[in-house]
Amino acid sequence: RKEVEQDPGPFNVPEGATVAFNCTYSNSASQSFFWYRQDCRKEPKLLMSVYSSGNEDGRFTAQLNRASQYISLLIRDSKLSDSATYLCVVGAPPGRRALTFGSGTRLQVQP
Amino acid sequence: GAVVSQHPSWVICKSGTSVKIECRSLDFQATTMFWYRQFPKQSLMLMATSNEGSKATYEQGVEKDKFLINHASLTLSTLTVTSAHPEDSSFYICSARDKPSTDTQYFGPGTRLTVL
Repeated sequence: RKEVEQDPGPFNVPEGATVAFNCTYSNSASQSFFWYRQDCRKEPKLLMSVYSSGNEDGRFTAQLNRASQYISLLIRDSKLSDSATYLCVVGAPPGRRALTFGSGTRLQVQP
Repeated sequence: GAVVSQHPSWVICKSGTSVKIECRSLDFQATTMFWYRQFPKQSLMLMATSNEGSKATYEQGVEKDKFLINHASLTLSTLTVTSAHPEDSSFYICSARDKPSTDTQYFGPGTRLTVL
């Protein structure tokens, strides 16, 4: 079983749509969670950290459910520029190892 | 702030040669840098964790004699792919952590290596 699992997609949605991605992780000791965005042939860029209380940044909302070990990302009012691969990223307890990346969910927003 | 650069951005080399990739934190000191590899349509896979002034910690399955890592200063880590083979062709990405108390990492733009 992969440490971080994501639906690879692609998710094809029209502009203006709301789309949600889920991700599950296997290490219950994980303490930090992130969503990164990766454009084709580019490095990942941090989109947002994910907290148990949930957090929102403009059109993006992230939620963490520790009991079920899943993380979600909601994108409202999708823009063409949101087209990218979204990586679910989990960090283990500090000092143990680096981040573990999911394989990504590809989003294609269409005009 | 928190900018990480990598050089070169792409390289094409012949099989059997060695290639050095540099990773620099431009506006902060990075006590820890990480090296990842990403094959097409796959996730980033951690290769090694590099701490300034000490030996790198390699992930299982990564040959330390083939992928030499040096982290001689707080702003520079290098990865040398020795005796490169076509199967080493990949996207190599470094990242750096600016605070030891946080998991947030800042990524370099990556180096695309093609071994002929």
